[in-house]
Amino acid sequence: QQQVKQSPQSLIVQKGGISIINCAYENTAFDYFPWYQQFPGKGPALLIAIRPDVSEKKEGRFTISFNKSAKQFSLHIMDSQPGDSATYFCAARTLYSGGSNYKLTFGKGTLLTVNP
Amino acid sequence: KAGVTQTPRYLIKTRGQQVTLSCSPISGHRSVSWYQQTPGQGLQFLFEYFSETQRNKGNFPGRFSGRQFSNSRSEMNVSTLELGDSALYLCASSGGAPAYEQYFGPGTRLTVT
Repeated sequence: QQQVKQSPQSLIVQKGGISIINCAYENTAFDYFPWYQQFPGKGPALLIAIRPDVSEKKEGRFTISFNKSAKQFSLHIMDSQPGDSATYFCAARTLYSGGSNYKLTFGKGTLLTVNP
Repeated sequence: KAGVTQTPRYLIKTRGQQVTLSCSPISGHRSVSWYQQTPGQGLQFLFEYFSETQRNKGNFPGRFSGRQFSNSRSEMNVSTLELGDSALYLCASSGGAPAYEQYFGPGTRLTVT
């Protein structure tokens, strides 16, 4: 059961354009939403994260938009650069059932290619 | 601060063999999680260890096991390897709440032939 649905699977953008990756979730217990960036041969690296009490968070060229009522969140990469070409994963955090610690559930990833 | 390290980086094994992968978390981090990454299934959670105890487990067969040592270093073992076990195995460490950010290592690429 996939709890976090990510789209598109792949995305091609021209240099300078805007890249948009979307994620949707069902579980209203999710309370923290990070995005990870993964380059070939590397592990995922935390890029930016948001809590559901905020509708938008911006860090440099990266912005997360969050729509709590629609249970959707998205990553926007402004002025996309070839160096941004990577796989991007959204994730959502929740408490383990009956527990006091957290788990992360990941989307299946989006392969972004930024053409020069 | 040094990041998460994983050894070895690459492994080739034969079906039926077993394999042990190692992970050293970021200094001070006590939580270590393991993930299997494949093109088809994405990142799938294997298990998490905290203070030498397995705290959570994903939906993988018993052939997949792990342990954590007193210095927080962790090992993961896969017995009776199958071709479908070929994947990138990622280790992530966390300092815990409140945000539970996980910091990933570079992974071990396991190929089963």
